[in-house]
Amino acid sequence: DTGVSQDPRHKITKRGQNVTFRCDPISEHNRLYWYRQTLGQGPEFLTYFQNEAQLEKSRLLSDRFSAERPKGSFSTLEIQRTEQGDSAMYLCASSLSRELFFGEGSRLTVL
Amino acid sequence: GNSVTQMEGPVTLSEEAFLTINCTYTATGYPSLFWYVQYPGEGLQLLLKATKADDKGSNKGFEATYRKETTSFHLEKGSVQVSDSAVYFCALSGEAAGNKLTFGGGTRVLVKP
Repeated sequence: DTGVSQDPRHKITKRGQNVTFRCDPISEHNRLYWYRQTLGQGPEFLTYFQNEAQLEKSRLLSDRFSAERPKGSFSTLEIQRTEQGDSAMYLCASSLSRELFFGEGSRLTVL
Repeated sequence: GNSVTQMEGPVTLSEEAFLTINCTYTATGYPSLFWYVQYPGEGLQLLLKATKADDKGSNKGFEATYRKETTSFHLEKGSVQVSDSAVYFCALSGEAAGNKLTFGGGTRVLVKP
């Protein structure tokens, strides 16, 4: 399968714990995006990378959130000291042009 | 900033009925417009796109025309099937800022046999 893959698909954690999600984009795609989707809403932009450079961060991305793409390939999104409001689906997408290809998402539940 | 507004659902239809989902946008410059679909338990998939005014995107019997004068990109299908039951998202990609997508809130469509 050469699509965008995300891991883990589901994560249940207790409030205050740290969690990390991984995204493997389609190879040769230079842009990688993170979105958050809550129930019944459209995806909201969090951040994006061009190669290894993080070029934009949404104001939704509080100080507890950090994203990296160290070698311009896979990316990680870490959430520190999780809160119940962080419960959502975290989507990763990659692109070479204006068309974004999405992974199936990582669902986070914070108890 | 950029924004997308689409009709709220759920939209419930019978098989073979005509489907329209309205979408309007606000953007500077000349954005590209997209419809993405999310089937139950699956990720977002691109359904169709249009990159300039008066372009018509089409796929799987769905169509949408980029109307700059009315800033709209309404999705239509002439005869829906049960398998079209999904959530549909209208989105735009601006000229700047890395082609990130701005999404509407989504419209859930349920097609009954």
